[in-house]
Amino acid sequence: SQQGEEDPQALSIQEGENATMNCSYKTSINNLQWYRQNSGRGLVHLILIRSNEREKHSGRLRVTLDTSKKSSSLLITASRAADTASYFCARNRNAGNMLTFGGGTRLMVKP
Amino acid sequence: DAGVTQSPTHLIKTRGQQVTLRCSPKSGHDTVSWYQQALGQGPQFIFQYYEEEERQRGNFPDRFSGHQFPNYSSELNVNALLLGDSALYLCASSHRLDFLSYEQYFGPGTRLTVT
Repeated sequence: SQQGEEDPQALSIQEGENATMNCSYKTSINNLQWYRQNSGRGLVHLILIRSNEREKHSGRLRVTLDTSKKSSSLLITASRAADTASYFCARNRNAGNMLTFGGGTRLMVKP
Repeated sequence: DAGVTQSPTHLIKTRGQQVTLRCSPKSGHDTVSWYQQALGQGPQFIFQYYEEEERQRGNFPDRFSGHQFPNYSSELNVNALLLGDSALYLCASSHRLDFLSYEQYFGPGTRLTVT
């Protein structure tokens, strides 16, 4: 079963708009990671946020983490057609590095 | 640096057959994990290898087995293939960031189709 759930499952926006994706989980975590996947290919690591962090930025990406609500969000600002992809959150909760993925958000950015 | 590589890219097998998938980790990485991703779903953890031993395992039957070699490369074997084994199989190698955090690098995947 997948214990991280993304919301919405699909999102369609115009180029230049912001895209926000949310992720909820059920158990405690060490860190939460966001990945991008283009057309069923390999996953690309975007951002890792640790359980003691609340916000991280990387370029046009902003990730927040609220451990009290067991939720995280990924914001992509000024989206581009090249941002069209599936985005997954993945939870790491043990001393190893096993990741539990959600079902993903399929983002389409229209030019 | 070649990153994580996987072979083959695509594979078609018949029910009941056996398959072996291969993975070479990113240079300097010693831990390899395997994930199964069914169409339209997120990846699911199969198992992880470190120092040539299986360190963690997900909820997959014994038909799924693996191996890690002294050079850290890894194989995933699936016996008695079922139609439901059709999926993208992803290999990931890990880099430790700190005591509790790792960053995983994924390969491009092997697309397995069982007919």
